[in-house]
Amino acid sequence: AQKITQTQPGMFVQEKEAVTLDCTYDTSDQSYGLFWYKQPSSGEMIFLIYQGSYDEQNATEGRYSLNFQKARKSANLVISASQLGDSAMYFCAMRERVSGSARQLTFGSGTQLTVLP
Amino acid sequence: NAGVTQTPKFRILKIGQSMTLQCTQDMNHNYMYWYRQDPGMGLKLIYYSVGAGITDKGEVPNGYNVSRSTTEDFPLRLELAAPSQTSVYFCASSSGLAGTVSYEQYFGPGTRLTVT
Repeated sequence: AQKITQTQPGMFVQEKEAVTLDCTYDTSDQSYGLFWYKQPSSGEMIFLIYQGSYDEQNATEGRYSLNFQKARKSANLVISASQLGDSAMYFCAMRERVSGSARQLTFGSGTQLTVLP
Repeated sequence: NAGVTQTPKFRILKIGQSMTLQCTQDMNHNYMYWYRQDPGMGLKLIYYSVGAGITDKGEVPNGYNVSRSTTEDFPLRLELAAPSQTSVYFCASSSGLAGTVSYEQYFGPGTRLTVT
């Protein structure tokens, strides 16, 4: 079963508008973490934001915020005031234990965001 | 502080050839990982290591081997390359300390491998 689901293969947003990228997850762990990464066309993976399962406040990093709804198992990324440079693939990932103290990231299939001028 | 470095950036292999993808990190991280990313897909974990001398399989380990003789280096070996191994390979590392963002994984720039 999919552990991380990103249902939007592609999204378009007008420059300066806000956009929400959806992510739902599935885990039976009590302790886990949720990440968002940006992958521009150049290919590198850029860390954007992190939310721990015990964090009571939604994470924010500049123009990025994470709308964490634990009961719904969703961790949507909100980008405010979109810029042309935000056009990229965005991946949601979940950190979960694999064994002992080891953790792995499980990635969703990504959402391709295009910001229109 | 170079972070995570990978070599080579690009490589074309013939079916049946072997090669080693190099990965080095200078952040003194205990945890290192190898992922592959197929076109239009997310990353899948191949192998990981929690420290020198300790490695374990991830989701898609078949056709690969790893070793971790030092904290800094985590090479990935492909034996008998197959077209199904055409992919982009990312190495990552994390500190693995107790806490929250300390579990953040830092990624290398990737190696684009084509097997023909």
